[in-house]
Amino acid sequence: KAGVTQTPRYLIKTRGQQVTLSCSPISGHRSVSWYQQTPGQGLQFLFEYFSETQRNKGNFPGRFSGRQFSNSRSEMNVSTLELGDSALYLCASSTSGGNAKNIQYFGAGTRLSVL
Amino acid sequence: KQEVTQIPAALSVPEGENLVLNCSFTDSAIYNLQWFRQDPGKGLTSLLLIQSSQREQTSGRLNASLDKSSGRSTLYIAASQPGDSATYLCAVWGGSEKLVFGKGTKLTVNP
Repeated sequence: KAGVTQTPRYLIKTRGQQVTLSCSPISGHRSVSWYQQTPGQGLQFLFEYFSETQRNKGNFPGRFSGRQFSNSRSEMNVSTLELGDSALYLCASSTSGGNAKNIQYFGAGTRLSVL
Repeated sequence: KQEVTQIPAALSVPEGENLVLNCSFTDSAIYNLQWFRQDPGKGLTSLLLIQSSQREQTSGRLNASLDKSSGRSTLYIAASQPGDSATYLCAVWGGSEKLVFGKGTKLTVNP
């Protein structure tokens, strides 16, 4: 079985631009979660999607948004990029997430640099 | 608000040593606790998951324990090898319905 696939692996953007990151979960997994990892704050939860619905959201501004498609693939969008958005963005999938609290399988991440 | 702390932040040991990594959390109302490994510039690899009703889990040279009442977990690595060098993260699922991570322990195993 293929693992969680995130594209692209690296991105360089300038302040004010917007960016879209993509995540393909493990086949059969319906829950996709997104995390931001920075040296200062560590790993922070952004949001979780299950069956195309956002089920949970972290404490991030509205510039961060996401969606999930019927095939469980997910995209994350960041608008009006700021220097502080430079981070490793990780996506994780699980069989159900939420109340089942199953093992999270992570992708390799997308490294975003904002100049 | 759940907070997860990992001590020490960094650890350097000689090859072959047995070692213990520590994780503490402030709210004992958790569903489970997971230990992950992260290699530089890479994603996370799940090592062990302990449900709140369990006391420990084992996988090969790894053993994780959970004491929910005291808010502590330990990850024991036996006979460490240079390939074990990585950052080890612990994370808890709590009432906030999301994984809350510690900042990790960076382990270096010297040949």
